[in-house]
Parts: sequence; structure tokens; C-alpha cells
Amino acid sequence: EIVLTQSPATLSLSPGERATLSCRASQSVSNYLAWYQQRPGQAPRLLIYDASNTATGIPARFSGSGSATDFTLTISSLEPEDFAVYYCQQRSSWPRTFGQGTKVEIK
Amino acid sequence: EVQLAESGGGLVQPGGSLRLSCAASGFTFAGSAMTWVRQAPGKGLEWVSTITDSGDRTNYADSVRGRFTASRDGSKSALYLQMSGLRAEDTAVYYCVKGGWSGVMDVWGKGTTVTVSS
Repeated sequence: EIVLTQSPATLSLSPGERATLSCRASQSVSNYLAWYQQRPGQAPRLLIYDASNTATGIPARFSGSGSATDFTLTISSLEPEDFAVYYCQQRSSWPRTFGQGTKVEIK
Repeated sequence: EVQLAESGGGLVQPGGSLRLSCAASGFTFAGSAMTWVRQAPGKGLEWVSTITDSGDRTNYADSVRGRFTASRDGSKSALYLQMSGLRAEDTAVYYCVKGGWSGVMDVWGKGTTVTVSS
């Protein structure tokens, strides 16, 4: 099973600041990595797929990078609605696995 | 607009059974694999099962294999999760998700809550 480790667990930032979230895989997932956002009380929403492709309707301030075992989600300038939990997920092999999540909170 | 609507959740005793349903609309259901993902209270996301677009193959998490069965009905654009031998640790919100076999899981339903308790 591929283990995805996200860091940090919590990120405390102010609106307008840049957020950098990390996801590390226990073995290579090639570029088969996605990022999801989950706001309180809501279902997750796809942000980024295949490491760096932005999903339909996602604002340009969200971007993804990386390959193999190291991936990054960047939010260039935090908006109030961006304070949420973010998960990475791999589809390189079975079982599909998620990271434990990074909570982006208002400082 | 792609929409997924789960139903069938509720309170069930340990050892009991429950069938979840997911009604799909806004896309070609027969052309899309489908996935179930769950989230225990206050916890992260856990992949449960994925079924191919044709329904001929399924994959399950070790935690549910042998107890849960995913199926689909193309004539109704519906996905199902038959759950038996339920345990307290199966308590979670269950999400129906479009995709997930060879492609990305791209659209999520709002979820249905399953509580396993005596």
C-alpha cells in the first residue's frame, strides 16, 4: 500500500498570504496524484489532477507540481473561502490512498 | 450538470446490513467507473470500493472486503453499496464519487451517514 504523508498537519496563515502544502508518497506514483479541498460540512472537491492539471472551474490561484514521490499544492494568495482541509490522493496502484490532510486555518 | 445523490444511510446495529444507493445524472453513467469513499467522524478520507464502467470488475479496501459489495444498474444510472456484518468502525459519511478506476475521482456527492451502534 502506498502511504501518502502530508505536511504540515496545520498551516496558520492570513488572507492574501501564500500557502504551500506538501504530499510525500512512500513509493513513486508517477504523476497520478490529485488534490481535494474539503470545507467544513461539505463534500470534497477536486482541485488538481495528475499532479499539475487544474480541474474545471478551479481558480488560477491554485496550482500543483511534483512527480514520483514529492508533490506540492500552492495557493498563491489565500481568499477567505480557501480556509479548509486539503487532501492528496494517489491512483497509481490499489488500494487507492489519501493523505491524512492539511488544515489551512486563519491566523 | 453532473449530480450524484446518495441515500440509504441510517442507524444500524452491529452485525446488521444496509444498502446505500447513489443516483447519477448529468453524464453518461455507462461510460464512467464509480467509487465509494467514506469519512469517519472527525477523520480523513478512506477509499472503500471502485467498480468499472461495465460493472465487470470491482476493487475493495481490505477493511471491507468480504463484507461490502459494490454494484451498478445502468438502466437506472444507479450505484449501490451492499454492506453486511457492519461494525462500529464502519460509522462514517459515505460518498459516491464519479471515476476512480483508470481516471481521477472528479465529482463527489454530498454523502449519506451510516451509524453502527447498539
